[in-house]
Amino acid sequence: DAKTTQPPSMDCAEGRAANLPCNHSTISGNEYVYWYRQIHSQGPQYIIHGLKNNETNEMASLIITEDRKSSTLILPHATLRDTAVYYCIVSLGGNKLVFGAGTILRVKS
Amino acid sequence: DAGVTQSPTHLIKTRGQQVTLRCSPKSGHDTVSWYQQALGQGPQFIFQYYEEEERQRGNFPDRFSGHQFPNYSSELNVNALLLGDSALYLCASSLGQGGVNYGYTFGSGTRLTVV
Repeated sequence: DAKTTQPPSMDCAEGRAANLPCNHSTISGNEYVYWYRQIHSQGPQYIIHGLKNNETNEMASLIITEDRKSSTLILPHATLRDTAVYYCIVSLGGNKLVFGAGTILRVKS
Repeated sequence: DAGVTQSPTHLIKTRGQQVTLRCSPKSGHDTVSWYQQALGQGPQFIFQYYEEEERQRGNFPDRFSGHQFPNYSSELNVNALLLGDSALYLCASSLGQGGVNYGYTFGSGTRLTVV
C-alpha cells in the first residue's frame, strides 16, 4: 500500500471551509484514496473515497489531482463537532487500511 | 440499524494472562477486521476474517489469533499478555472483503489495559 503524507495539525474557524491536504505520490493506478476521521475515544468513521474523479457526499468533498499524486478533503462548513484526527489512506479495494499519524483538525469558535 | 458492537468496552488484565474480545458486525456485513491502536498512534491492522477464514494478516505475532462464527461475529484472542499489548482494539466490518463502496464501519473499541 502506498504511503501518504499529511500535515500534523490544522486549525479552522467554525463555519468556514476546512481544506485538508494529502500527498500520495507513489499511488498505483488501481488504488483508491480513502478518508476517515476519528473523534476522541471513538472508532474511525468513513468519510469519503475516490479513484480518479472528484467526489461529493453529505459529509465532504474529495478533490483528486489529475496525476493522482495528491488530494484534498473539503469540509464545506466546519463545526466544532468536526474536531478530530483525519486520516488519508490509499488502498486497494478489499485490502487492509494502513493508517498514518493523520491530521489533527481543530475547529475553533 | 445497529452498527458494529464490541464487548467489553474496558478490560484490565495481568501480564501473562489471556484475553478474548468480541465483535458483532454491522447488519448485512460479512467481513470483520481487527486493528490495534496504541495511545497517540493510528490503528494498526491485525487480521481480517471472511467466510470464517483468516484472509489477511498484519505484522503481529502468533499470540494474536481470531475466529469468525457462522453468524459473521468474531473474536480476537491474545495469549501471554505483555504490557505492550495495552491499547484500544478496534473491530471493523464490511460487505465482502471490499469496503470499496462504502468503506469499513468501525466499532468504538475495547480498551485493554495490561498491568
